[in-house]
Amino acid sequence: EAQVTQNPRYLITVTGKKLTVTCSQNMNHEYMSWYRQDPGLGLRQIYYSMNVEVTDKGDVPEGYKVSRKEKRNFPLILESPSPNQTSLYFCASSGPSGKLFFGSGTQLSVL
Amino acid sequence: QQPVQSPQAVILREGEDAVINCSSSKALYSVHWYRQKHGEAPVFLMILLKGGEQKGHEKISASFNEKKQQSSLYLTASQLSYSGTYFCGTWDFGNEKLTFGTGTRLTIIP
Repeated sequence: EAQVTQNPRYLITVTGKKLTVTCSQNMNHEYMSWYRQDPGLGLRQIYYSMNVEVTDKGDVPEGYKVSRKEKRNFPLILESPSPNQTSLYFCASSGPSGKLFFGSGTQLSVL
Repeated sequence: QQPVQSPQAVILREGEDAVINCSSSKALYSVHWYRQKHGEAPVFLMILLKGGEQKGHEKISASFNEKKQQSSLYLTASQLSYSGTYFCGTWDFGNEKLTFGTGTRLTIIP
């Protein structure tokens, strides 16, 4: 089954403790992206990647890192999380059609 | 800059029609529409490419006016299953990223 898999689904952490949210897709898509969703603000792009080893900033990249060492994986790294990064995060991928396939989301709470 | 969606929220009775608008300050290459139900991930509805095309899927259709940098989503004879938040996403020239609007919450009541 074609899918984007994100883990974990829920995560509670404390300020400053490094964390990684994993994202993997099995559709051989070149394009992958991370979004955060906050009430009233919609989906805002954090980082995106056009292909392996090619990443670029989205609209809200501060405080986040990504890497694209393999085509299928695109982890999101928070080196030193802060409470304002409490949010719902979505990973997505797309092929040549441009249609985005989203993961099931990660609800992150930073205390 | 995020595209602007209107209205922010709308409540309809089953069977009524709705229009959701999306406008951008930038020249657009394409417009995407997604629907998100509560607690779930957004789901793709359709993509419209520049050229003023109109696309449809059952009773949901959309138009794209590239000169006005606007797109509209039309929901005809709404069903309870249409409830959710609708997002437009715009892909503008020169960038390789999809920027979403803030969403329109649609509630269908029996």
